[in-house]
Amino acid sequence: DGGITQSPKYLFRKEGQNVTLSCEQNLNHDAMYWYRQDPGQGLRLIYYSQIVNDFQKGDIAEGYSVSREKKESFPLTVTSAQKNPTAFYLCASSMIGAKNIQYFGAGTRLSVL
Amino acid sequence: KQEVTQIPAALSVPEGENLVLNCSFTDSAIYNLQWFRQDPGKGLTSLLLIQSSQREQTSGRLNASLDKSSGRSTLYIAASQPGDSATYLCAVTGGGATNKLIFGTGTLLAVQP
Repeated sequence: DGGITQSPKYLFRKEGQNVTLSCEQNLNHDAMYWYRQDPGQGLRLIYYSQIVNDFQKGDIAEGYSVSREKKESFPLTVTSAQKNPTAFYLCASSMIGAKNIQYFGAGTRLSVL
Repeated sequence: KQEVTQIPAALSVPEGENLVLNCSFTDSAIYNLQWFRQDPGKGLTSLLLIQSSQREQTSGRLNASLDKSSGRSTLYIAASQPGDSATYLCAVTGGGATNKLIFGTGTLLAVQP
């Protein structure tokens, strides 16, 4: 099956803890994205990457970090510096270029214990 | 800064009714506009993509229009069904080489049987 796989589906974070959300795609897409969704708000871009070993900050990058060591993988780490991490996190991928549709994973719901 | 607004925030209609969802954006310099569907706790599914040079796109019972000059798009759903119940999000892609999406806050649609 081709697509984007996010794991885990649910994640809990303790105070001061870093947690990592996984995103893997087998669509051979060059670009990958991480979004945060809060209730009653639209999706906001955290980080994006258009090529391996390169990534750019989105609109709300503070308290988050990413890596892009492989084309297929774009993990997101929510660090202890992110004081309000409770949200629904969505990963997406696309071919390069503004005309290309982004395909989304099923999401990870992160909560704070 | 581009801002995307969706009205209404929530809508409830009886089955079989035709309905219109609205999306407005503040900067007309867009590459395209997309409409997405999101089921509760799930990722996003792209419904329709309208390029900036196009006026509308159709897929089955869905028709999306774009008026770039006035910064508006509508999603028309014909003969609504309970299975159409979901949150509908619109997003625009701005200028530049990246595929960054700017999302509206969504319209929660409930179709009553």
